[in-house]
This record gives sequence, structure tokens and C-alpha cells, in this order.
Amino acid sequence: NAGVTQTPKFQVLKTGQSMTLQCAQDMNHNSMYWYRQDPGMGLRLIYYSASEGTTDKGEVPNGYNVSRLNKREFSLRLESAAPSQTSVYFCASSGTGGPLPSYNEQFFGPGTRLTVL
Amino acid sequence: QKEVEQNSGPLSVPEGAIASLNCTYSDRVSQSFFWYRQYSGKSPELIMSIYSNGDKEDGRFTAQLNKASQYVSLLIRDSQPSDSATYLCAVKGRNNRLAFGKGNQVVVIP
Repeated sequence: NAGVTQTPKFQVLKTGQSMTLQCAQDMNHNSMYWYRQDPGMGLRLIYYSASEGTTDKGEVPNGYNVSRLNKREFSLRLESAAPSQTSVYFCASSGTGGPLPSYNEQFFGPGTRLTVL
Repeated sequence: QKEVEQNSGPLSVPEGAIASLNCTYSDRVSQSFFWYRQYSGKSPELIMSIYSNGDKEDGRFTAQLNKASQYVSLLIRDSQPSDSATYLCAVKGRNNRLAFGKGNQVVVIP
């Protein structure tokens, strides 16, 4: 099993350009997440999808959109990139919020390092 | 008050010693607690989960949970240079999301 995969690994954009970050998981997890990680700020949740067909805003959703394409795939789109979106982006997945607490364990992809000039 | 706080600065420990990391959380109803290890330039890796008061041991790692005092800790016994990393505490809140602390850097000195 590959776990959680993300593409691309690195990306440089100019201000105003758009791009989509791709994420896929092969663990049959219901829930998927997008985080950004900045120095001194820790991991912050951008959007999440509790199950196929649903998405919800996290802590820092402004400037982003998401699509839960199917159970495996969850993409993050920057419509008009800004320098403030320079960050490392991580996708994660977990089972469900079901009765077993282990369903809440999140597993992370390798990340995408994005620079917006 | 922040949801999850890890206040200690970088921790330097000699090889073979015990590294002790602490984390406090604000939501009294939290039920699930996690420790992640993150090497520089890499993604967070889950190393411990704990759900009940008390200690949970896994190899050289021990997680300790005290819900009454709202803290969770991680002990690393017989620290090795490969343990040098940033350790993130995460707590599942009532909204089913994980809240992360900012992390503690551990440096194991050979």
C-alpha cells in the first residue's frame, strides 16, 4: 500500500496563478484533510472531508477550494495564488469518527512545498 | 487559551537518557490523543495514540494521559540520535478534528 500520496512535491507559482494539489489514499479511509504548515504556526487545517460527497471549512479556508472527487481522492485548488500561501501543504486521511478511537488516527502524505513569488 | 499547548523550547538530551515532552489541552471533553514525530523536511508520522488515563508503552516510547489535569506527555527512553526530530501533540476535539500543538524539537547528543 502506498498510503497517502501527493502531487506535485514542489511547485513555484507567480502571484495570481492557479494550481491544484492532488491527494490520493489507498487505505479505504472515509475522511481526508488538507493542512498547511508554516514556521512558528504549526499545522493548520484548511479544509476537510468527513466522507465522500461532503466538505467543510477548517481554520484557514480563505483563498482555497477543495473537491472530494471520490473516496480515494481529495484535491486542493488555489484560484489566484498569493505570497501568503507560500507554505508546505499536507494531505491526511483517517478512518471514520466511529466507535473505535483508532479511526481518528490520521496518516499524512509526503507534502507539497509551494512557493508563490 | 490555545487548544493544544507545547510550551517547552528545544530539548537537548544525551544519548541513552530519557526525553520528556509535555502537552496541555483546553477542551475537557477530548477523548483521543496522539503524538507525531516529524523529521526536518518530512511529513508527520504517528508514533503513539492514547485514549485512557494512565500509561501506554510501545517500545522505547511511553505516553501518559491525565484527563483530570488535561495533560498528555511522551517519554522517550534510551534516546538515540535517530530520535532527533520535532514531536507534535494532537488532540481530537468535539468537532472530530485534530488540533495540533506547535511541536517540541528534540536533539539527542551522541
